[in-house]
Amino acid sequence: LAKTTQPISMDSYEGQEVNITCSHNNIATNDYITWYQQFPSQGPRFIIQGYKTKVTNEVASLFIPADRKSSTLSLPRVSLSDTAVYYCLVGEGGYNKLIFGAGTRLAVHP
Amino acid sequence: EADIYQTPRYLVIGTGKKITLECSQTMGHDKMYWYQQDPGMELHLIHYSYGVNSTEKGDLSSESTVSRIRTEHFPLTLESARPSHTSQYLCASSEWSGGNTGELFFGEGSRLTVL
Repeated sequence: LAKTTQPISMDSYEGQEVNITCSHNNIATNDYITWYQQFPSQGPRFIIQGYKTKVTNEVASLFIPADRKSSTLSLPRVSLSDTAVYYCLVGEGGYNKLIFGAGTRLAVHP
Repeated sequence: EADIYQTPRYLVIGTGKKITLECSQTMGHDKMYWYQQDPGMELHLIHYSYGVNSTEKGDLSSESTVSRIRTEHFPLTLESARPSHTSQYLCASSEWSGGNTGELFFGEGSRLTVL
């Protein structure tokens, strides 16, 4: 199972774009990249998933370069309510354990 | 809205007691997981299941046990609780998929305190 590395913490201000990069040098051919968001005292919540290039949904974009050894979650115009921990997961469907890394603690300031 | 439920939400119990944390989902998901998380710390996978009668240990060693007799139910049991078991326990489920990982749906968690 591919190990992921993320920054421990990041700070931003309301209205700014935030980019969180995750490294996964040992990603396997069949692995997908998934990002989750977690607020205190709650379970993580799915944000976005991708395999290659770019994926966009109503809350975020995910950029994956051709070598797939990293990925970047982009949050446009963050607000105070985006303050949370963001986790990057790498794995495939079927028999996979879905291991969470340490995550990135994002603090959005007024 | 995810249909996965955990009970109890909060439990304070004395050392040596047996406890069972319940987790049920109504989505028909084959895969279910138990994660353990201390405040401000990362999630650790302690158990997972691919379906009925399938259970596996996760990456973090745990003295707890699980069972999967029905698709919708994945209880976690501690035979003799200790203060070191104090933590939040999060249950999750996802659809079986041969392709992408599928979205994990989490319950609200069970916060266990062992005195």
